[in-house]
Amino acid sequence: DTGVSQDPRHKITKRGQNVTFRCDPISEHNRLYWYRQTLGQGPEFLTYFQNEAQLEKSRLLSDRFSAERPKGSFSTLEIQRTEQGDSAMYLCASSSLRVFSADEQYFGPGTRLTVT
Amino acid sequence: AQSVTQLGSHVSVSEGALVLLRCNYSSSVPPYLFWYVQYPNQGLQLLLKYTSAATLVKGINGFEAEFKKSETSFHLTKPSAHMRDAAEYFCAVSVYGGSQGNLIFGKGTKLSVKP
Repeated sequence: DTGVSQDPRHKITKRGQNVTFRCDPISEHNRLYWYRQTLGQGPEFLTYFQNEAQLEKSRLLSDRFSAERPKGSFSTLEIQRTEQGDSAMYLCASSSLRVFSADEQYFGPGTRLTVT
Repeated sequence: AQSVTQLGSHVSVSEGALVLLRCNYSSSVPPYLFWYVQYPNQGLQLLLKYTSAATLVKGINGFEAEFKKSETSFHLTKPSAHMRDAAEYFCAVSVYGGSQGNLIFGKGTKLSVKP
């Protein structure tokens, strides 16, 4: 199966700890997106990459959040000094850039973060 | 700025009945519109998308949606509901009306199907 994968699927951490999530996109996709989804809400955009370039990061929730995609393949999302309000599902999606066409984003299963 | 409004956070239908999930959008440029489905504890799966070609779009699992510019709507329908359709459905609009970046999602509509 060559879908989007995310690791871990679940993470429980104590307030103040740092966490890092990994996303492996579909192999031929050059765009990668991170979203956050809280209970009862739709996904909320955080940031995205085209190849290794981070083209939009102003929507990251605070300076505690950072993302990387060093070789244009997998990506990591790090949250430093976690707070209880960070508890959510973190979703990764990937797509293949096509000119003059809406790129279909394919989502991974998500990482559910619980901050205690 | 683009936005999406889904009317009804919860819709309940009987098996075999018509499914109608409502979505209205706001966009200053021609939008690209999407419907996604999410099953419990899973990611989102694309049902269908509108990209300015045909206004009636057919998707997977028997779903379809009609783009109505005059009503700024993109409602999702299915003639006959199955138990397996029970899930949460999200309408989304693409920023800048093209392949420029992220999706903006509605709050979702949870569909329940009664036997």
